[in-house]
Amino acid sequence: SQQGEEDPQALSIQEGENATMNCSYKTSINNLQWYRQNSGRGLVHLILIRSNEREKHSGRLRVTLDTSKKSSSLLITASRAADTASYFCATDAADDKIIFGKGTRLHILP
Amino acid sequence: NAGVTQTPKFQVLKTGQSMTLQCAQDMNHNSMYWYRQDPGMGLRLIYYSASEGTTDKGEVPNGYNVSRLNKREFSLRLESAAPSQTSVYFCASSARSSGRSFVGTDTQYFGPGTRLTVL
Repeated sequence: SQQGEEDPQALSIQEGENATMNCSYKTSINNLQWYRQNSGRGLVHLILIRSNEREKHSGRLRVTLDTSKKSSSLLITASRAADTASYFCATDAADDKIIFGKGTRLHILP
Repeated sequence: NAGVTQTPKFQVLKTGQSMTLQCAQDMNHNSMYWYRQDPGMGLRLIYYSASEGTTDKGEVPNGYNVSRLNKREFSLRLESAAPSQTSVYFCASSARSSGRSFVGTDTQYFGPGTRLTVL
């Protein structure tokens, strides 16, 4: 079963707007990661937030983590056409596994 | 520094044929992973190896075998391919040591993928 579940499944916004996607998970974690996947390519790591952190920034990315609600959000500010991709959250689980969600497909409209 | 490489990039098999997907990393990483990605299903972990000489099952191991040949290489074998194994396969690696999560070690680095079709 999936540890992380992203929401929404798909999102279309105008270029320049902010995009927010969410991830919920089931069990306690050490950290949560966000990855991006461009069509037909491998995943690329964006940002990692540890369980004792509440917010983290990297360029136009802002990630929050609420361990009491077992949820995280990824905010992309001032979106660009190049941000069109699928975004996945990943959580560490027992036995050294890293489990990915099903992803959010983000489409930036010109 | 090539990162994570996978061969082949594309493969078409007939039902019942066997093949091995190769993966290698040049980052001296401890952990390596094999995932499959199907439309609408995200990535599902097939097998992983937390250190050289060890392998463990992931979510969907049936129909697959793996071999951690050395620290660099982690291969995935389909002994008797089935149409249900049509998918895109990704290999990944991380610096994570078995049972220990440190800052920066959990980041996974992915290969470009192998697109497999089983007829």
